[in-house]
Amino acid sequence: SQQGEEDPQALSIQEGENATMNCSYKTSINNLQWYRQNSGRGLVHLILIRSNEREKHSGRLRVTLDTSKKSSSLLITASRAADTASYFCATDAWGQGGSEKLVFGKGTKLTVNP
Amino acid sequence: NAGVTQTPKFQVLKTGQSMTLQCAQDMNHEYMSWYRQDPGMGLRLIHYSVGAGITDQGEVPNGYNVSRSTTEDFPLRLLSAAPSQTSVYFCASSYSAGTGFQPQHFGDGTRLSIL
Repeated sequence: SQQGEEDPQALSIQEGENATMNCSYKTSINNLQWYRQNSGRGLVHLILIRSNEREKHSGRLRVTLDTSKKSSSLLITASRAADTASYFCATDAWGQGGSEKLVFGKGTKLTVNP
Repeated sequence: NAGVTQTPKFQVLKTGQSMTLQCAQDMNHEYMSWYRQDPGMGLRLIHYSVGAGITDQGEVPNGYNVSRSTTEDFPLRLLSAAPSQTSVYFCASSYSAGTGFQPQHFGDGTRLSIL
């Protein structure tokens, strides 16, 4: 499987602290995406970074991409209790039939304590 | 817009029964996919489609069938339910990949229990 792998599996921090999650992948990609999942809900897209980009910001989110190391990181600054969720990275890969598919990692479960 | 609609939200089946999980989107997205989510396993791709009439297998396709006769609908069929198929199933859609994928829109999931 050409799945991204997030690290750590679980992260617990205090409100106001920064949270950093990492994603490693195995093969060349066109882009990498980060998603968030609140308990019992579907995934929500957070940010997309293309293979020719090194850093991208969206509000309190900062994503970096290092294609030479096949890794990405998601930084959430000044975390809030409402940021408690699971975070997933997703990368593109080629299917058996020759079409592209999107594969997800196992996720990082973030808990922000008030 | 309704986005991605999955039905039913909950279902309990007996081993050996068959059923179809429905997924519909109203955004004219070419790409649609089905994932299953199990504790500690993240999301695993079952089947996907890059357009009407075109489907391909993901990582865990065994025991599932799909078809894509229209752009809007992408049903997932369980042929003979097994307890190992107890999971939460998510459908997602997006515009065509082109160079790299567009952001995916997810449904709220179908929680399926096989007894």
